[in-house]
Amino acid sequence: GAGVSQTPSNKVTEKGKYVELRCDPISGHTALYWYRQSLGQGPEFLIYFQGTGAADDSGLPNDRFFAVRPEGSVSTLKIQRTERGDSAVYLCASSLTGPSSGANVLTFGAGSRLTVL
Amino acid sequence: DQQVKQNSPSLSVQEGRISILNCDYTNSMFDYFLWYKKYPAEGPTFLISISSIKDKNEDGRFTVFLNKSAKHLSLHIVPSQPGDSAVYFCAADQAGTALIFGKGTTLSVSS
Repeated sequence: GAGVSQTPSNKVTEKGKYVELRCDPISGHTALYWYRQSLGQGPEFLIYFQGTGAADDSGLPNDRFFAVRPEGSVSTLKIQRTERGDSAVYLCASSLTGPSSGANVLTFGAGSRLTVL
Repeated sequence: DQQVKQNSPSLSVQEGRISILNCDYTNSMFDYFLWYKKYPAEGPTFLISISSIKDKNEDGRFTVFLNKSAKHLSLHIVPSQPGDSAVYFCAADQAGTALIFGKGTTLSVSS
């Protein structure tokens, strides 16, 4: 597509429920990133895919968070047993090649706002 | 420990004047620095970048200055316009890793 598309744009759920957030990156972009932005904070890195594999998942806060990108395009971020502290805007970004010899310019989607009650 | 710091949460400037947004970093291994701009309910959009081997990069009204010895960079916007009102994020890039962002500075440009 023309840009990075994220669905849903808003998700309200109850504590303890399971949530999936979807990201459709720019066509042809091999690298895909998930970030989380809490109120008053900058985007915080969660996980990065190069193709189908997770190249770096060091930012995932705990094992309730998991992400997949089975065909190297669309990615899904999955959060189990949601907690109120998971409330944030989850941002997805893609880049043509990922970290390389030049500046790694990421193109972001508009985000999915998750509210856990 | 924050590797990228934006110590001013907000900045107010009059239209036509210069806006200066500041950013400090701690890791001397960063290769590039990038500035992103974010409007409410939208994702951050890329503005301008600078390589760690340069001290200045200019693109239209936007100029980024890098002082490696002080581990400090700044974004200058001149002249500032009301449409520049947004949150500005500084980000640092180290080869092989994901971008690290600061907390952002909210710029308000009044007409």
